[in-house]
Amino acid sequence: GAVVSQHPSWVICKSGTSVKIECRSLDFQATTMFWYRQFPKQSLMLMATSNEGSKATYEQGVEKDKFLINHASLTLSTLTVTSAHPEDSSFYICSGGLAGGTQYFGPGTRLTVL
Amino acid sequence: QKEVEQNSGPLSVPEGAIASLNCTYSDRGSQSFFWYRQYSGKSPELIMSIYSNGDKEDGRFTAQLNKASQYVSLLIRDSQPSDSATYLCAVNMRGLTGGGNKLTFGTGTQLKVEL
Repeated sequence: GAVVSQHPSWVICKSGTSVKIECRSLDFQATTMFWYRQFPKQSLMLMATSNEGSKATYEQGVEKDKFLINHASLTLSTLTVTSAHPEDSSFYICSGGLAGGTQYFGPGTRLTVL
Repeated sequence: QKEVEQNSGPLSVPEGAIASLNCTYSDRGSQSFFWYRQYSGKSPELIMSIYSNGDKEDGRFTAQLNKASQYVSLLIRDSQPSDSATYLCAVNMRGLTGGGNKLTFGTGTQLKVEL
């Protein structure tokens, strides 16, 4: 299957700081990239969908000014959590999408906000 | 009604048995169906995709799709303890989302394969 990387794999930051997470599709060009969040023992929650060169589409209830998404190329998308707070602590997972709906997930980034 | 429904489990099966995981979906216009496996603390991993009615086999895994009944299932033959994980059913609900590659996920079924 196709490979998606994420960096960093885990991050600890102080409340009020911003954190950037990178998502790269290593061996394919992702038509679309997706950002998910998963709290412990809960299901995946889609945060936003992004296409290269255009603004991300955010799901209802996700603050676009807090979760900034940049999709600079067909292989790179970034998520910046701005002014992070403890309630933003979660497992953030990106995926690269192909035509037909197939998504390949990155390994995830575990964010802890102190 | 949830868009994609799965029994949360846990589903316990003995080692070597067949595990049967089920999923129903609400959008009759859905075209693409996926099964992902997620180990605790890890991200989802694609196991199978299926697009046409009938069965699709890949090793110990068989996906079954019945669009008339809006039902998709995953069979795992010769279950191993390493198969213990949460299995997520995902549907590309083109009819509801107006196209695109967005997937709607079920909440997952936890499978436990016991020695």
